Amino acid sequence: DSGVTQTPKHLITATGQRVTLRCSPRSGDLSVYWYQQSLDQGLQFLIQYYNGEERAKGNILERFSAQQFPDLHSELNLSSLELGDSALYFCASSAWGGGPETQYFGPGTRLLVL
Amino acid sequence: GDSVTQMEGPVTLSEEAFLTINCTYTATGYPSLFWYVQYPGEGLQLLLKATKADDKGSNKGFEATYRKETTSFHLEKGSVQVSDSAVYFCALKLGTSYGKLTFGQGTILTVHP
Repeated sequence: DSGVTQTPKHLITATGQRVTLRCSPRSGDLSVYWYQQSLDQGLQFLIQYYNGEERAKGNILERFSAQQFPDLHSELNLSSLELGDSALYFCASSAWGGGPETQYFGPGTRLLVL
Repeated sequence: GDSVTQMEGPVTLSEEAFLTINCTYTATGYPSLFWYVQYPGEGLQLLLKATKADDKGSNKGFEATYRKETTSFHLEKGSVQVSDSAVYFCALKLGTSYGKLTFGQGTILTVHP
């Protein structure tokens, strides 16, 4: 158990809908990351937050947004969903987000868009 | 841009066989290098890491050496077990970036008794 929790574990929805994925980082970690894992794209970095502020952005679509709240949990919002958004979404956390520190991954949320 | 290339899988071995999974990288600057493992139905776990050239990371019988001259970080284990069956990801992180991990495509390892 990494100490990172993600909810829900599975999500099935329809095209055009909007969903919210939730992540709670390990106790004491200030940095949260979101990654998308799909068969065609592999593991892709989406976005990073540090202590409530956006710190780095990767291949995140404009239809997607995220935020980190004062209690440090984070939410990833996916809107106008398309079939191609079906993937496993991972959240990870680390102490402060820099250097070679380890990122601890949650179990993921599997999203299926029908 | 920065990238990681892993040997294509899947890799199928018998128990107690020797394992090598090749990983090479392209990066501007001096990255830290990681191996993560993903067991079925679970998230990624750090297996080992190395932060500078010639460093050797090791854990649970797995080893990898950071080779700057060949831009490689190959994963090895002398004797695999059935419980090692998983997907293995090589990744890099630039020292100047704020935490983005760049992953290879993953290598599926299956070990038979």
